[in-house]
Amino acid sequence: KQEVTQIPAALSVPEGENLVLNCSFTDSAIYNLQWFRQDPGKGLTSLLLIQSSQREQTSGRLNASLDKSSGRSTLYIAASQPGDSATYLCAVPPAPGGYNKLIFGAGTRLAVHP
Amino acid sequence: DTAVSQTPKYLVTQMGNDKSIKCEQNLGHDTMYWYKQDSKKFLKIMFSYNNKELIINETVPNRFSPKSPDKAHLNLHINSLELGDSAVYFCASSPLILLAGGRWETQYFGPGTRLLVL
Repeated sequence: KQEVTQIPAALSVPEGENLVLNCSFTDSAIYNLQWFRQDPGKGLTSLLLIQSSQREQTSGRLNASLDKSSGRSTLYIAASQPGDSATYLCAVPPAPGGYNKLIFGAGTRLAVHP
Repeated sequence: DTAVSQTPKYLVTQMGNDKSIKCEQNLGHDTMYWYKQDSKKFLKIMFSYNNKELIINETVPNRFSPKSPDKAHLNLHINSLELGDSAVYFCASSPLILLAGGRWETQYFGPGTRLLVL
């Protein structure tokens, strides 16, 4: 059974710092891994999707890496801004051969203060 | 234009009542989902429908009954509400991708419905 763990659970940093959020999963036979952002009172927004054949994806100040063999992914946020404050969730499909459902981690709650 | 919309946004009700949450997507996707986010913020899938057909049912109490009148709508009806049903319920949609086929498509989430059972 696939399980997803995110560390740290919460993070508070001053503006401008570079950050690393960690995600680990127990079953390395995944097709992909996805990072989402959740703002309070709002839905989830997809940030980056890494296919299993890829090792990383970049979007602006965000960079996500994937190491299937070790069951880990990291989300790197460069030059953090107060607008980055949100909860960041990683998610993977449960196992090969299934339908398009996601197993989520509990998230990392990020606060960036001016 | 809202891609995935849910109504109501907030729902406060008494134990034992029956309530429904509606979801609509205008993305032309084949597949829709219901997820539940509990007080510990874990998001867990409940159901998935593809073109009005149930394809995922994740051991949810039968008090929860999804209904899909067409592929753009997936409603969630909850009978005999209990305190433990209090949570945020998210609807999502995506193209249907069988994982054995390889390529993955992202899911688009609605804003959530905050249900509080008193």
